[in-house]
Amino acid sequence: GAVVSQHPSWVICKSGTSVKIECRSLDFQATTMFWYRQFPKQSLMLMATSNEGSKATYEQGVEKDKFLINHASLTLSTLTVTSAHPEDSSFYICSAIPTGGSSYEQYFGPGTRLTVT
Amino acid sequence: GESVGLHLPTLSVQEGDNSIINCAYSNSASDYFIWYKQESGKGPQFIIDIRSNMDKRQGQRVTVLLNKTVKHLSLQIAATQPGDSAVYFCAEKGNTGFQKLVFGTGTRLLVSP
Repeated sequence: GAVVSQHPSWVICKSGTSVKIECRSLDFQATTMFWYRQFPKQSLMLMATSNEGSKATYEQGVEKDKFLINHASLTLSTLTVTSAHPEDSSFYICSAIPTGGSSYEQYFGPGTRLTVT
Repeated sequence: GESVGLHLPTLSVQEGDNSIINCAYSNSASDYFIWYKQESGKGPQFIIDIRSNMDKRQGQRVTVLLNKTVKHLSLQIAATQPGDSAVYFCAEKGNTGFQKLVFGTGTRLLVSP
């Protein structure tokens, strides 16, 4: 149980285009999901907290107009990287917390490798 | 601000040895800690967690120790296997009521057969 999927697993796009990444909780509902970014050989950095039915909460320094987050259902959150540039190339990982769960454990997706050329 | 750091960026051990991965945290108000394992190109995988009202918790081949006095967390892996080779992250959750996690810098564990 508690499986989180991401799609696509990897994507290559040209500079200036937009890319959408999906995060799905497959066997549970998640009111709250998180989006992280991880550069090579570095740790996970939280970008934003995605809340179902409301606006996402962005961490300091993360441009909300560049990284659009939509959490329209209890099993799906999407991250859209708008006007992507090479510096946006990274490993994007989402996580989800089961709604009503008693644990603070976050279940992570497998990640999406974004390469902007 | 909050920060969680690790003392050793790389730990090399022989198969069958016991491994100890350390983590220092700075937020004394954190009330929940987790260790994650991340293999190359994959998302983090939960290993074990511990709440701040505990100082030790054991799982299968793993033990987490929490020393709140010196704000130190460690992960012990018994009889380390080549499949344990990965990057290990500690993460902490503050006591603000929000569920955000702050991740440490990570330690790469290399297990030689």
